[in-house]
Amino acid sequence: DTGVSQDPRHKITKRGQNVTFRCDPISEHNRLYWYRQTLGQGPEFLTYFQNEAQLEKSRLLSDRFSAERPKGSFSTLEIQRTEQGDSAMYLCASSSILEGGTGLAGVLEQFFGPGTRLTVL
Amino acid sequence: GNSVTQMEGPVTLSEEAFLTINCTYTATGYPSLFWYVQYPGEGLQLLLKATKADDKGSNKGFEATYRKETTSFHLEKGSVQVSDSAVYFCALSVYQAGTALIFGKGTTLSVSS
Repeated sequence: DTGVSQDPRHKITKRGQNVTFRCDPISEHNRLYWYRQTLGQGPEFLTYFQNEAQLEKSRLLSDRFSAERPKGSFSTLEIQRTEQGDSAMYLCASSSILEGGTGLAGVLEQFFGPGTRLTVL
Repeated sequence: GNSVTQMEGPVTLSEEAFLTINCTYTATGYPSLFWYVQYPGEGLQLLLKATKADDKGSNKGFEATYRKETTSFHLEKGSVQVSDSAVYFCALSVYQAGTALIFGKGTTLSVSS
């Protein structure tokens, strides 16, 4: 299977602990996105990378959150000093965007992983 | 700003009934529009998309037409099946804004036999 994978699938932690999630995108995709989804809501954008560069961060991404994509392949999302409000499903998605394109040429489908469900006790 | 509003669920239908899930959007640029589906216990999957006005996206019997004049992208299916039971999300992305997807809250569809 060459889809987007995420690890772990489930994480239970105590308030105040640090957690780290990993995402492996589809291998030829140069864009990688992180989203957060809470119960009964649609996914909300957190941040995205093009290759190894983090190009945008949402206001939702507080200073306790950090994401990396060191070699332009897999990515990690770390949450420090977790709070109960961090409990959610964290989704990763990847896509391929045409470099140097203009307008709609670069808009291609995002493929989502199964998500990591975080529960903070 | 950019946002998506979709009808609240749950939507409960009998098999073979007609389905409409309404979706409207606001966007500062020229968005591409998507419907994603989340089956129970599974990840988000792209159902269909449209990238310019009057485009019709279609897949698995579902259709949606990009209506710029009414800023809408309503999802329709002529005859639903039990296997269509899922949560449906309308979403948009604006190339000039980095192509991150902006989702609606989702509509739960439950189809009974």
